[in-house]
Amino acid sequence: EVTLLESGGGLVQPGGSLRLSCAASEFSFSDFAMTWVRQAPGRGLEWVSSITGRGGSTYFSDSVKGRFTMSRDNSKNTLSLQMNSLRAEDTAVYYCARQTLFAWGAPAFDFWGQGTVVTVSS
Amino acid sequence: DIQMTQSPSSLSASVGDRVTITCRASQSITAYLNWYQQKPGKAPKLLIYAASSLQSGVPSRFSGSGSGTDFTLTISNLQPEDFATYYCQQSHSSPMYTFGPGTKLEIK
Repeated sequence: EVTLLESGGGLVQPGGSLRLSCAASEFSFSDFAMTWVRQAPGRGLEWVSSITGRGGSTYFSDSVKGRFTMSRDNSKNTLSLQMNSLRAEDTAVYYCARQTLFAWGAPAFDFWGQGTVVTVSS
Repeated sequence: DIQMTQSPSSLSASVGDRVTITCRASQSITAYLNWYQQKPGKAPKLLIYAASSLQSGVPSRFSGSGSGTDFTLTISNLQPEDFATYYCQQSHSSPMYTFGPGTKLEIK
Protein backbone atom coordinates (compact mmCIF):
# COMPACT_ATOMS: atom_id res chain seq x y z
CA GLU A 1 0.00 0.00 0.00
CA VAL A 2 1.27 3.46 -0.88
CA THR A 3 2.46 5.26 2.24
CA LEU A 4 3.65 8.81 2.81
CA LEU A 5 5.00 9.79 6.22
CA GLU A 6 5.84 13.38 7.07
CA SER A 7 8.18 14.47 9.83
CA GLY A 8 10.08 17.51 11.00
CA GLY A 9 7.28 19.74 12.20
CA GLY A 10 7.49 21.70 15.42
CA LEU A 11 7.53 25.08 17.09
CA VAL A 12 9.79 27.74 15.58
CA GLN A 13 10.18 31.44 16.17
CA PRO A 14 9.30 33.98 13.49
CA GLY A 15 12.21 34.37 11.12
CA GLY A 16 13.45 30.88 11.87
CA SER A 17 13.86 27.83 9.68
CA LEU A 18 12.50 24.31 9.61
CA ARG A 19 12.99 21.34 7.32
CA LEU A 20 10.14 18.94 6.68
CA SER A 21 10.62 15.46 5.28
CA CYS A 22 8.29 12.97 3.66
CA ALA A 23 9.20 9.30 3.38
CA ALA A 24 7.49 7.43 0.57
CA SER A 25 7.03 3.71 0.17
CA GLU A 26 5.35 1.07 -1.96
CA PHE A 27 5.47 2.88 -5.27
CA SER A 28 8.06 3.87 -7.85
CA PHE A 29 8.89 7.19 -6.27
CA SER A 30 10.84 8.73 -9.13
CA ASP A 31 7.94 8.18 -11.54
CA PHE A 32 5.72 10.67 -9.73
CA ALA A 33 5.72 14.39 -9.16
CA MET A 34 5.17 15.25 -5.52
CA THR A 35 3.58 18.18 -3.79
CA TRP A 36 3.18 19.91 -0.43
CA VAL A 37 -0.21 21.21 0.66
CA ARG A 38 -0.84 23.05 3.91
CA GLN A 39 -3.84 23.83 6.05
CA ALA A 40 -3.84 26.64 8.58
CA PRO A 41 -5.89 26.06 11.75
CA GLY A 42 -9.58 26.15 10.89
CA ARG A 43 -8.86 27.05 7.28
CA GLY A 44 -8.96 25.39 3.88
CA LEU A 45 -6.32 23.68 1.81
CA GLU A 46 -3.52 25.67 0.19
CA TRP A 47 -1.14 24.30 -2.41
CA VAL A 48 2.44 25.18 -1.41
CA SER A 49 4.91 23.59 -3.82
CA SER A 50 5.50 20.80 -6.33
CA ILE A 51 8.50 19.00 -7.74
CA THR A 52 8.84 16.90 -10.87
CA GLY A 53 9.69 13.20 -10.68
CA ARG A 54 13.35 13.62 -11.52
CA GLY A 55 13.57 16.70 -9.33
CA GLY A 56 14.60 18.95 -12.16
CA SER A 57 11.86 21.51 -11.65
CA THR A 58 10.15 23.00 -8.65
CA TYR A 59 7.16 25.32 -8.35
CA PHE A 60 5.95 27.45 -5.47
CA SER A 61 2.93 29.46 -4.48
CA ASP A 62 3.43 33.20 -4.32
CA SER A 63 3.00 33.07 -0.54
CA VAL A 64 6.19 31.02 -0.05
CA LYS A 65 8.25 31.80 -3.15
CA GLY A 66 11.76 32.90 -2.25
CA ARG A 67 11.48 31.50 1.29
CA PHE A 68 10.83 27.79 0.75
CA THR A 69 12.77 25.29 -1.31
CA MET A 70 11.76 21.76 -2.23
CA SER A 71 13.95 18.82 -3.09
CA ARG A 72 13.82 15.05 -3.36
CA ASP A 73 16.23 12.14 -3.04
CA ASN A 74 14.98 9.41 -5.33
CA SER A 75 17.61 6.99 -4.06
CA LYS A 76 16.08 7.25 -0.58
CA ASN A 77 12.45 7.84 -1.59
CA THR A 78 12.31 11.02 0.39
CA LEU A 79 10.93 14.49 -0.17
CA SER A 80 11.99 17.64 1.65
CA LEU A 81 10.66 21.12 2.19
CA GLN A 82 13.15 23.67 3.53
CA MET A 83 11.28 26.56 5.09
CA ASN A 84 13.19 29.77 5.84
CA SER A 85 12.15 33.20 7.09
CA LEU A 86 9.08 31.66 8.67
CA ARG A 87 6.11 33.84 9.52
CA ALA A 88 3.14 33.39 11.81
CA GLU A 89 0.96 32.86 8.75
CA ASP A 90 3.00 29.77 7.84
CA THR A 91 1.50 28.01 10.87
CA ALA A 92 -0.35 25.01 9.48
CA VAL A 93 -0.51 21.28 9.06
CA TYR A 94 1.75 20.40 6.13
CA TYR A 95 0.82 17.42 3.98
CA CYS A 96 2.90 15.76 1.31
CA ALA A 97 0.94 14.18 -1.51
CA ARG A 98 1.60 12.14 -4.61
CA GLN A 99 0.57 13.62 -7.91
CA THR A 100 -0.80 11.20 -10.49
CA LEU A 101 -1.60 11.94 -14.10
CA PHE A 102 -4.98 10.44 -14.90
CA ALA A 103 -6.88 10.36 -18.18
CA TRP A 104 -5.52 12.73 -20.83
CA GLY A 105 -2.90 13.98 -18.42
CA ALA A 106 -5.24 15.44 -15.83
CA PRO A 107 -3.30 15.57 -12.55
CA ALA A 108 -4.68 14.94 -9.07
CA PHE A 109 -3.28 14.21 -5.64
CA ASP A 110 -4.20 10.58 -5.05
CA PHE A 111 -2.25 9.71 -1.90
CA TRP A 112 -1.59 11.92 1.10
CA GLY A 113 0.46 11.65 4.26
CA GLN A 114 -1.04 12.21 7.70
CA GLY A 115 0.51 15.66 8.00
CA THR A 116 3.02 17.36 10.28
CA VAL A 117 2.26 20.45 12.35
CA VAL A 118 4.31 23.60 12.01
CA THR A 119 3.78 26.39 14.53
CA VAL A 120 5.50 29.72 14.06
CA SER A 121 5.30 31.71 17.26
CA SER A 122 7.48 33.59 19.73
CA ASP B 1 -4.39 33.27 -11.38
CA ILE B 2 -7.40 31.00 -11.43
CA GLN B 3 -9.72 31.53 -8.47
CA MET B 4 -12.15 28.88 -7.22
CA THR B 5 -15.39 29.41 -5.37
CA GLN B 6 -17.75 26.88 -3.81
CA SER B 7 -21.35 27.04 -2.75
CA PRO B 8 -22.77 26.64 -0.31
CA SER B 9 -20.06 27.09 2.31
CA SER B 10 -22.00 24.75 4.55
CA LEU B 11 -25.13 22.68 4.40
CA SER B 12 -27.13 20.38 6.61
CA ALA B 13 -28.64 17.17 5.33
CA SER B 14 -30.01 13.90 6.59
CA VAL B 15 -28.93 10.32 6.02
CA GLY B 16 -30.45 9.15 2.76
CA ASP B 17 -30.63 12.63 1.21
CA ARG B 18 -29.15 13.68 -2.11
CA VAL B 19 -26.92 16.75 -1.98
CA THR B 20 -25.16 18.85 -4.59
CA ILE B 21 -22.13 21.08 -4.08
CA THR B 22 -21.16 23.61 -6.70
CA CYS B 23 -17.68 24.78 -7.67
CA ARG B 24 -16.94 27.64 -10.02
CA ALA B 25 -13.67 28.67 -11.65
CA SER B 26 -12.78 32.25 -12.54
CA GLN B 27 -11.92 31.14 -16.08
CA SER B 28 -12.38 28.03 -18.15
CA ILE B 29 -10.51 25.02 -16.81
CA THR B 30 -12.13 22.59 -19.27
CA ALA B 31 -12.39 19.41 -17.16
CA TYR B 32 -9.29 19.87 -15.01
CA LEU B 33 -11.25 19.72 -11.76
CA ASN B 34 -10.84 17.39 -8.81
CA TRP B 35 -12.90 16.84 -5.66
CA TYR B 36 -11.55 15.86 -2.24
CA GLN B 37 -13.21 14.86 1.01
CA GLN B 38 -11.66 15.72 4.36
CA LYS B 39 -12.75 14.57 7.78
CA PRO B 40 -11.64 16.35 10.97
CA GLY B 41 -8.03 15.63 11.85
CA LYS B 42 -7.49 13.57 8.72
CA ALA B 43 -5.76 14.06 5.40
CA PRO B 44 -7.87 14.85 2.34
CA LYS B 45 -9.02 11.97 0.17
CA LEU B 46 -9.38 12.12 -3.60
CA LEU B 47 -12.96 11.38 -4.68
CA ILE B 48 -13.31 12.59 -8.26
CA TYR B 49 -10.68 13.53 -10.84
CA ALA B 50 -11.01 15.13 -14.25
CA ALA B 51 -14.44 16.49 -13.29
CA SER B 52 -16.37 13.23 -13.53
CA SER B 53 -14.10 10.20 -13.04
CA LEU B 54 -14.55 8.27 -9.83
CA GLN B 55 -11.31 7.46 -8.00
CA SER B 56 -10.74 3.78 -7.33
CA GLY B 57 -12.45 2.59 -4.17
CA VAL B 58 -14.81 5.55 -3.88
CA PRO B 59 -18.50 4.56 -3.58
CA SER B 60 -20.65 5.10 -6.65
CA ARG B 61 -23.02 7.38 -4.73
CA PHE B 62 -20.43 10.09 -5.39
CA SER B 63 -20.52 11.65 -8.84
CA GLY B 64 -19.10 14.72 -10.51
CA SER B 65 -20.09 16.71 -13.56
CA GLY B 66 -19.38 19.93 -15.37
CA SER B 67 -16.86 21.54 -17.68
CA GLY B 68 -15.57 24.99 -18.43
CA THR B 69 -16.22 27.06 -15.32
CA ASP B 70 -19.08 25.30 -13.52
CA PHE B 71 -18.89 21.97 -11.77
CA THR B 72 -20.95 19.94 -9.33
CA LEU B 73 -20.33 17.16 -6.85
CA THR B 74 -23.41 15.10 -6.09
CA ILE B 75 -23.75 12.64 -3.25
CA SER B 76 -26.76 10.35 -3.47
CA ASN B 77 -28.20 8.45 -0.54
CA LEU B 78 -26.03 10.18 2.08
CA GLN B 79 -24.36 7.88 4.54
CA PRO B 80 -23.17 8.78 8.06
CA GLU B 81 -19.54 8.58 6.94
CA ASP B 82 -20.13 11.20 4.23
CA PHE B 83 -20.41 14.09 6.68
CA ALA B 84 -17.18 15.95 6.07
CA THR B 85 -15.75 18.96 4.27
CA TYR B 86 -15.46 18.85 0.48
CA TYR B 87 -12.95 20.78 -1.59
CA CYS B 88 -12.70 21.30 -5.30
CA GLN B 89 -9.31 21.84 -6.91
CA GLN B 90 -8.33 23.10 -10.34
CA SER B 91 -5.39 21.45 -12.07
CA HIS B 92 -5.67 23.37 -15.35
CA SER B 93 -2.76 25.59 -14.35
CA SER B 94 -0.61 22.64 -13.31
CA PRO B 95 1.99 22.65 -11.82
CA MET B 96 0.29 25.45 -9.91
CA TYR B 97 -2.96 24.47 -8.22
CA THR B 98 -5.85 26.18 -6.49
CA PHE B 99 -8.36 24.75 -4.06
CA GLY B 100 -11.83 26.02 -3.43
CA PRO B 101 -12.65 27.29 0.08
CA GLY B 102 -14.53 24.13 1.02
CA THR B 103 -18.08 23.08 1.77
CA LYS B 104 -18.87 21.62 5.17
CA LEU B 105 -21.57 18.98 5.09
CA GLU B 106 -23.23 18.50 8.45
CA ILE B 107 -25.89 16.20 9.81
CA LYS B 108 -29.32 17.76 10.13
